[in-house]
Amino acid sequence: GIQVEQSPPDLILQEGANSTLRCNFSDSVNNLQWFHQNPWGQLINLFYIPSGTKQNGRLSATTVATERYSLLYISSSQTTDSGVYFCAALMEYGNKLVFGAGTILRVKS
Amino acid sequence: GAVVSQHPSWVICKSGTSVKIECRSLDFQATTMFWYRQFPKQSLMLMATSNEGSKATYEQGVEKDKFLINHASLTLSTLTVTSAHPEDSSFYICSARAEFHYGYTFGSGTRLTVV
Repeated sequence: GIQVEQSPPDLILQEGANSTLRCNFSDSVNNLQWFHQNPWGQLINLFYIPSGTKQNGRLSATTVATERYSLLYISSSQTTDSGVYFCAALMEYGNKLVFGAGTILRVKS
Repeated sequence: GAVVSQHPSWVICKSGTSVKIECRSLDFQATTMFWYRQFPKQSLMLMATSNEGSKATYEQGVEKDKFLINHASLTLSTLTVTSAHPEDSSFYICSARAEFHYGYTFGSGTRLTVV
């Protein structure tokens, strides 16, 4: 099955700093999503981005499907951005969303 | 749109008892729902795919007699953990995909503690 790898595994930022999280996937995909899991476990859907670039406030994401990677950019980080960020991919001919191991982000004030 | 509701949010049960977790799609119909399990500080692992009106499909290593899945309507799937043991303690999350949305939406999760 598809393999999804995320980097870095951990990241500590000072409030106001920018960061880039990376997601590599092993096969062609027709769905790539970025999630933020808050301290209560809720998965918040940040982006549905099988290709191209999207922006939502301080967050933006880019997926280069031909090179099998996606990037999540966080600008001007805030303490409320802390949590675990997951990317998840759906194979081109499947219906199972496969998750990466996640990036644990801590933003310090 | 595309809201998935999961209940209960947390449950504590005694070893040997069964626990039922409900997953509802509130504003769309879901012929397929997915059940994930997450251990502390780990990622989400797919347990099974729930299909409306037919048997669920379980991932390798998941005991179908331990984790009973019923998808009786287009808006409701249930996961029953039977004869629960402490090692079943985990965070269970359901998911569905709205046809018009194409992305997957997740419920808020259920934290199960077996004592």
